Parts: sequence; structure tokens; C-alpha cells
Amino acid sequence: NAGVTQTPKFQVLKTGQSMTLQCAQDMNHNSMYWYRQDPGMGLRLIYYSASEGTTDKGEVPNGYNVSRLNKREFSLRLESAAPSQTSVYFCASSNPPGTDTQYFGPGTRLTVL
Amino acid sequence: QKEVEQDPGPLSVPEGAIVSLNCTYSNSAFQYFMWYRQYSRKGPELLMYTYSSGNKEDGRFTAQVDKSSKYISLFIRDSQPSDSATYLCAHKGAGGTSYGKLTFGQGTILTVHP
Repeated sequence: NAGVTQTPKFQVLKTGQSMTLQCAQDMNHNSMYWYRQDPGMGLRLIYYSASEGTTDKGEVPNGYNVSRLNKREFSLRLESAAPSQTSVYFCASSNPPGTDTQYFGPGTRLTVL
Repeated sequence: QKEVEQDPGPLSVPEGAIVSLNCTYSNSAFQYFMWYRQYSRKGPELLMYTYSSGNKEDGRFTAQVDKSSKYISLFIRDSQPSDSATYLCAHKGAGGTSYGKLTFGQGTILTVHP
């Protein structure tokens, strides 16, 4: 039982390049989330998927797209990376209702030059 | 005004001290609050979960919600070097488009030195 896994762990991009961050969970959770974490800003929600087949914007969606490929996988795509997207990206999953604990992956450290 | 605000610190205390970490929130209707702990270069993990007001205790950790002042606190007794981490408070949305979504404070960096 690996929980939430993310790939890659580290990535360096040049401005304008594209990439996809992958996330998978093996806890049979319905909901999945993408956050970014910047110094002094805490965690901010980019997109979330309440259940398979649905996605919605969070607080900071501009410049990103997501795909809920199936119940296990939720990917985040940067179509044209910008230096402002340099951040640590976390994927999380949960199974509401109830206490709705969100379980986080180890993160992807992205630098855009 | 941010929905949840937290002093980022950093906070440095000696081993054995009582630590108090605090957040304020903007909406008196908020009821579900969480504290997450994040070790360096790791993902956050849930530490405490509280609903409405009052105290909740778990070992050396106590979470407190004061609805009258819109203040949430995490107390750590007999702090240990292993408690050194970033502590994030969060509010969980309970209805409508906010259902299940977490809004985090900025996080407080805590160092407990031997």
C-alpha cells in the first residue's frame, strides 16, 4: 500500500516548455487534489476532482490543466511553463464524507528557468 | 482578508517547552478545522482534526477552537526535537462548492533544539 505517489520528484523546465505531473493513489479514494506550495503562501488549491469524471478549478488554476484519467490517477499539465510556476506541487486524495482526511504525496519540485 | 491566517514564524524553542501555534479565521460559520504537520521535503500529514469549538487532546498535542474570537490553536507539551516541522492549520469546507476543500494557513516553521 503505497498511498499517494507522484512523478517526477524533481524537474527543471525552460520557459515555454510543457510537462505533465503524474499522481496515483491506491486507497480507492473518490476525491483527488492538486496543490502548489510557495514560501510564505501555504498550500493553495489548483484543481480538484470530487469523483471520477469530474474536475473543478481551485484557487489558482490559471496556466494549468488536469485530467482525471480513472479513479486512481489525476494528472496536472503545464502547457507553457512560466517562471511564476516554480513551486513544489503536491497531490492529495480523500474519501468524503466523514472526517475527510486528505492524504498527500511526497511532492514534485519544479523549477522553471 | 484571507480565510485562514497564520504567523509563519519561525519559532524556536528548547526541548521540553510548551509550544503554542495559532491561526485566525475569517468566517464565523466555519466549523471544521485541521492541523497538518509537514517535515522538511515531505508532504503534509494530518495531525489533529476538530469540529466546532472546544478542545481535543491526543497525547502531547491539544487542538483548541475559540469560535467567539475566531481563533484556533495547537499546543504541544514537552516538545521534542522530532516535533521540528512546519505546522499548517486548515479549514475544511462543509457545504456547497466548498464541500471537502481545504483552505490552508501559511504554515509556522517550528524548531525544537536539544
